[in-house]
Amino acid sequence: AQSVTQLDSHVSVSEGTPVLLRCNYSSSYSPSLFWYVQHPNKGLQLLLKYTSAATLVKGINGFEAEFKKSETSFHLTKPSAHMSDAAEYFCVVRDGLGGGADGLTFGKGTHLIIQP
Amino acid sequence: DTAVSQTPKYLVTQMGNDKSIKCEQNLGHDTMYWYKQDSKKFLKIMFSYNNKELIINETVPNRFSPKSPDKAHLNLHINSLELGDSAVYFCASSQLAGGPTSAQYFGPGTRLLVL
Repeated sequence: AQSVTQLDSHVSVSEGTPVLLRCNYSSSYSPSLFWYVQHPNKGLQLLLKYTSAATLVKGINGFEAEFKKSETSFHLTKPSAHMSDAAEYFCVVRDGLGGGADGLTFGKGTHLIIQP
Repeated sequence: DTAVSQTPKYLVTQMGNDKSIKCEQNLGHDTMYWYKQDSKKFLKIMFSYNNKELIINETVPNRFSPKSPDKAHLNLHINSLELGDSAVYFCASSQLAGGPTSAQYFGPGTRLLVL
């Protein structure tokens, strides 16, 4: 079975400063990991995904995440926050043992607040 | 040219009513899903279908019945609606051949409010 823990329910940063959203996972096999973003009253958009090809994954809008197996972490970062980054961010895991039709296991989300 | 679309976007109804939510994807994917997002924003898989066949049926009341007329559509019918059914329902799709690494693409969500 797999699970995801997002360590912060809320993160507040100033515009132009770095963003760090923390995620730890648990998986019984080589996991696939994803970050999704949900803007207010919108659907979920894929930011990036880790599929074992490279441990540092670059996504859209300047976000990137690093897979660290020893720490079972997949933290999301961005060098400089923009006001438009304010949203809910979900770390997601899918166990490598499962088939392609398996559902995703979502973390509880981190609400990112950008201060002007 | 929306990839995954859902109708309606908002649904307000009385307890005990029956309602349906429709989902369509034009990505050519063969696998579709329904997720429920509760008031605390927690998302949980409800169902998945591959080529019109049910693959996953999580612990969901049998008042919820998905129907897939073809692999581009997955509709969700809910009977005898209850207050606790109020949530945002998301449809998603992916390509099975991509395996566990295949990303899922989500629709805009349907906000259901049961009064």
